[in-house]
Amino acid sequence: QSALTQPRSVSGSPGQSVTISCTGTSSDVGGYNYVSWYQQHPGKAPKLMIYDVSKRPSGVPDRFSGSKSGNTASLTISGLQAEDEADYYCCSYAGSYTLEVFGGGTKLTVL
Amino acid sequence: EVQLVESGGGLVQPGGSLRLSCAASGFTVSSNYMSWVRQAPGKGLEWVSVIYSGGSTYYADSVKGRFTISRDNSKNTLYLQMNSLRAEDTAVYYCASKHGRDAFDIWGQGTMVTVSS
Repeated sequence: QSALTQPRSVSGSPGQSVTISCTGTSSDVGGYNYVSWYQQHPGKAPKLMIYDVSKRPSGVPDRFSGSKSGNTASLTISGLQAEDEADYYCCSYAGSYTLEVFGGGTKLTVL
Repeated sequence: EVQLVESGGGLVQPGGSLRLSCAASGFTVSSNYMSWVRQAPGKGLEWVSVIYSGGSTYYADSVKGRFTISRDNSKNTLYLQMNSLRAEDTAVYYCASKHGRDAFDIWGQGTMVTVSS
């Protein structure tokens, strides 16, 4: 049950776009279209931002988008805003025994 | 409003036991995929356990044989019985549900478990 690989940190200026990658294997990210992304502000519970690779729950701004190619999923945030500064985690379904695996998390800094 | 509220966290000695509770409102625990996810201090999220609507249960290797997930349908509450606790089990424990999607769209506020002598 190895964690998915994410960059430890990314940064961008307000208005810019950033992309956070999430690399797994053919047994998780590459094998299923069940990748989700969570935003977590300090001291708060995670919040679902993207599910099923690229779908957005209602209430999540369309500045947030998701995609996947092979064993790597990506979260792109366009038009960065100060309130986007947070930790972001990817998660993938990993089969009937491992079930769920999270990434190590990426700290987004808005400069 | 759909909501999850955890309780039961605290300080426990290594080798000890603790039972966490997660009370749901606005939806039915027994009809949903319910999980526990933990986060050690300063670390990332780690999936711990799940109970399916049909009752099947699964665990992360790190807790298998020591933790037990269960639910009380009459109380609409999810539980995590934690035995043989270790220092590395120290974390905030969240309950989370896949309520309407194949992703954790409902989260509790978390409860802190500290394993220390």
